[in-house]
Amino acid sequence: AQSVAQPEDQVNVAEGNPLTVKCTYSVSGNPYLFWYVQYPNRGLQFLLKYITGDNLVKGSYGFEAEFNKSQTSFHLKKPSALVSDSALYFCAVRDAGNTPLVFGKGTRLSVIA
Amino acid sequence: NAGVTQTPKFQVLKTGQSMTLQCAQDMNHEYMSWYRQDPGMGLRLIHYSVGAGITDQGEVPNGYNVSRSTTEDFPLRLLSAAPSQTSVYFCASGSRGYNSPLHFGNGTRLTVT
Repeated sequence: AQSVAQPEDQVNVAEGNPLTVKCTYSVSGNPYLFWYVQYPNRGLQFLLKYITGDNLVKGSYGFEAEFNKSQTSFHLKKPSALVSDSALYFCAVRDAGNTPLVFGKGTRLSVIA
Repeated sequence: NAGVTQTPKFQVLKTGQSMTLQCAQDMNHEYMSWYRQDPGMGLRLIHYSVGAGITDQGEVPNGYNVSRSTTEDFPLRLLSAAPSQTSVYFCASGSRGYNSPLHFGNGTRLTVT
């Protein structure tokens, strides 16, 4: 069965600094990986997904994610954080079977001005 | 194009009462699912459906029923509400395909007293 871990409950970063939100996964076979963001009192919004063969994936709002097969990781990154990036971020994974998407527990990102 | 619409936005129930959370999507998505979100637990899958007439259990199905009589609608029924079902419930839909992202509704906040 697939699983995903987000080892940090909270990440604090100063505005303008680079940010990283970590995600590691476990699947049998090829992984299908996603990042979502949740703002207060809203549903989750899709940010980006892994595309086979691309180790660096670009997504919405200047976010990107780095895929590392040997470390089974898919970390979310942004070169320069904005206060408006403060939100809850979820990593999710499924395998190639007809299986549903499994989410991590989420990481709260706080960008301080 | 409204996307995924959930009703009601808020609901308070007494223990033992029953109710139905509504979910409708207008994107002709075959896949629909229900998650619950609890602090520190991330999103946990309750039930999902890969098409009209087909449903399956997720990680936490006990106390919930679903049906999928049309492509557009995927209601979630609480048979006899319990305080442990106090949560925020999200409906999500997506196209067929391992790499298709999910589209989320804005959630229903349910309190069971």
